[in-house]
This record gives sequence, structure tokens and C-alpha cells, in this order.
Amino acid sequence: DVQLTQSPSSLSASVGDTITITCRASQSVTVHLNWYQQKPGKAPKLLIYTASNLHSGVPSRFSGSGSGTDFTLTLSSLQPEDFATYHCQQSFITPWTFGQGTKVEIK
Amino acid sequence: QVQLRQSGPGLVKPSETLSLTCTVSGGSITTYFWTWIRQPPGEGLECIGYIYYSGSTNYNPSLESRVTISIDTSENQFSLNLRSVTAADTAVYYCARYDYGGNFFDSWGQGTLVTVSS
Repeated sequence: DVQLTQSPSSLSASVGDTITITCRASQSVTVHLNWYQQKPGKAPKLLIYTASNLHSGVPSRFSGSGSGTDFTLTLSSLQPEDFATYHCQQSFITPWTFGQGTKVEIK
Repeated sequence: QVQLRQSGPGLVKPSETLSLTCTVSGGSITTYFWTWIRQPPGEGLECIGYIYYSGSTNYNPSLESRVTISIDTSENQFSLNLRSVTAADTAVYYCARYDYGGNFFDSWGQGTLVTVSS
């Protein structure tokens, strides 16, 4: 299985900050890497697909980049509704796998 | 707008079978891959497997010996059976739609916490 390692596991930030979350794959997944946002008690929601494509309706303050084994999710100008857990997921090879998640908390 | 609605018990006894159903509304079940994903308390997400409307399936090798995913296109439903459960199978279970054109999960059910306990 492809292992995805996210860093950091958690971080504290303030409204208006810019943060970056990284996701490293145990082998190349080319650009088949997606990002999801999950709030407590809710299902994940798709933010970014194929490494850098913004899903419909997702604010432009979210952006993604990377290819191969190293990927980043950047949130610019954090808003109160952005405090959540973020998951990366590879769709290059089955079983599709997720990272362990990064929890973004309010400082 | 497609909606996925899950149903099934929230408590299952050890060694018994966990059974959940996902009903799809607002869209056809004859396209996309229909998947089951779980999330143990405080942990990450794990793909259990998926089914296509034709009935073809793909399971996570770690669970393959205990899992069956089935589909009923006439009812727009698909189901998960996980046999011989233990406490390690306690998790929130989600059904989700996988867009194989875009290669992502774009719609999710509401989640069902299934606790394995006697």
C-alpha cells in the first residue's frame, strides 16, 4: 500500500494567517493526490483534486501543489470556518489511502 | 445534487456481521464507483472497497477475507457486510461516491458510528 505521511499532525494558527500542510507518499503517485477538509462529526469534503485543481465551490484561498511524492496544501488568510482537520488521499493505485490527518486549531 | 443516506445498526456484537446500506438519491447509481470508507475513533480514514453498478468489486486486501459489498440498482442502494467483527472494527463508517473520471471522492454519506461490543 502507498503510505501517506502528513506534517505537521496538528498546528495552531490565527485568523488571517497563511499555513502550509505537507503530504509525503512512500512511492510516486504522479499527480493523483487529493485534499479533503473534515469538521468534527461530519464527513470529509473535497477541496483539491489531482494535486492542484480547486474543486467547485471551494474558496480560492485554498491551493495545492506537488507531484511524485511531495505535495503541499496552502491556506491563505485563514478564516474561522477553516479550522478543521485536513486529509490527503492518493488515487494512483488501489487500495486508495489517506494520510493520518492534520488538525488546524485556533491559536 | 446527489445525496447518500446511510442506514444500519450502531452496535454489533463481537464475531457477528456488520451490515450497512447506503441509498443514493438525486443521481443514477449506474455510473461512478460506490465505496465504503471507515475511520476508527481518533484515527485516519481507511478505504474498505468499492463496487461498480455491474457488480464488479475491489476490496482492500487487509479486509478482503471478511468483506462483501453488493449493489441493488433497482433500489439505488449499495451495501457493506463485514463478517467476524472485533473491537478493532469499531469506527465511523462512511459510504461515498468515487468519480473515476476525476479520481476523487465527491459525495459522502452522513457517517454511522458502529461500535463492536457485547
